[in-house]
Amino acid sequence: EPEVTQTPSHQVTQMGQEVILRCVPISNHLYFYWYRQILGQKVEFLVSFYNNEISEKSEIFDDQFSVERPDGSNFTLKIRSTKLEDSAMYFCASRGQGGGYEQYFGPGTRLTVT
Amino acid sequence: AQSVTQLGSHVSVSEGALVLLRCNYSSSVPPYLFWYVQYPNQGLQLLLKYTSAATLVKGINGFEAEFKKSETSFHLTKPSAHMSDAAEYFCAVRSVGNEKLTFGTGTRLTIIP
Repeated sequence: EPEVTQTPSHQVTQMGQEVILRCVPISNHLYFYWYRQILGQKVEFLVSFYNNEISEKSEIFDDQFSVERPDGSNFTLKIRSTKLEDSAMYFCASRGQGGGYEQYFGPGTRLTVT
Repeated sequence: AQSVTQLGSHVSVSEGALVLLRCNYSSSVPPYLFWYVQYPNQGLQLLLKYTSAATLVKGINGFEAEFKKSETSFHLTKPSAHMSDAAEYFCAVRSVGNEKLTFGTGTRLTIIP
């Protein structure tokens, strides 16, 4: 069964450093998303991406964040200058064009900022 | 703004007993509703979805949920709990015209042997 994959599974970085989190969505999906889950809190929407542009973003997704689909398979989230409060589990999701609108999530990347 | 309330951050049931996890949404227009399950150290797995077809929705692993517009609820049930059901369960809503899912705070389900 097709699934969303994410790399790395765990990333440790120092405050102020740039990180890139990578995702490979399900191959025939056209809508892509990033969410995050701070430890002990609920899952929060960051951004959605369709047709090579951001279709929706939350207040969390400020200028420090960017997304890119550099080729036909990868979808990346970049944080330019990480802060301690960026420590969280980051989930990538994708969905197809069907009317169900269900999103399929990857296993997540745990980002630890020290 | 769309919101989801999950009553009970922790629910414990005995193996074989009924599982009932509660979810209420706020919306003037019936949205799309989803239940996801998260096993320890894993991602979110879709259990089931409501998209305005049948109000009683069947999902994987024996779970089902009933959409009740009058109560703005979408509670998740399973007739007989199994040890493998121990996990965190999230209700999520997608408004018509939006892309984002708004999640509830989650309910951690513990199964007592």
